[in-house]
Amino acid sequence: NAGVTQTPKFQVLKTGQSMTLQCAQDMNHEYMSWYRQDPGMGLRLIHYSVGAGITDQGEVPNGYNVSRSTTEDFPLRLLSAAPSQTSVYFCASSSLRTSGINEQFFGPGTRLTVL
Amino acid sequence: GDSVTQMEGPVTLSEEAFLTINCTYTATGYPSLFWYVQYPGEGLQLLLKATKADDKGSNKGFEATYRKETTSFHLEKGSVQVSDSAVYFCALTEGGDDKIIFGKGTRLHILP
Repeated sequence: NAGVTQTPKFQVLKTGQSMTLQCAQDMNHEYMSWYRQDPGMGLRLIHYSVGAGITDQGEVPNGYNVSRSTTEDFPLRLLSAAPSQTSVYFCASSSLRTSGINEQFFGPGTRLTVL
Repeated sequence: GDSVTQMEGPVTLSEEAFLTINCTYTATGYPSLFWYVQYPGEGLQLLLKATKADDKGSNKGFEATYRKETTSFHLEKGSVQVSDSAVYFCALTEGGDDKIIFGKGTRLHILP
């Protein structure tokens, strides 16, 4: 199993450019999510999905779009990049239980810089 | 709403010292509790977890006990190593909720 994979590992964008961060998992997990990690801010949830065709907003969704057309893939789109979106982005997946989200598996992260 | 509070870092210790990182939570029901660790340049990975009161999670010499009476899940290790230098996150999930709540993380530095 590859687990959770993310591409690219590093990216530099200019203000106003668009791009898609890719995330894929091969564990058949229902739940997938995107976080951003900034110094001193911990992890902040951007968007999440509990299954194919279902997405919802997290704590900081503005400026980001997601879709979940398959169980395996959960891409994150930046439509018009801004310097405030400079951050490290993590994708995570987990199975769902009646008692809540199970252990989350994280990808290695994408370090994004917006100039 | 649910929340997780953990001690602010950085925490700096000498090798072989005893470690405690405090974590307290607020939740409406009966959450599952987790500790995640993030090594430099990597994503988070699960260190240990506990799903009900009085459960003790343990892994790699780390332990944490789910204390419902004090709403706490403190992380402990008897003798830390330089390789334990990382950022540690306390987290919780609840049944019927679609989110996992993370604390802000505690950076740990172990000096040789």
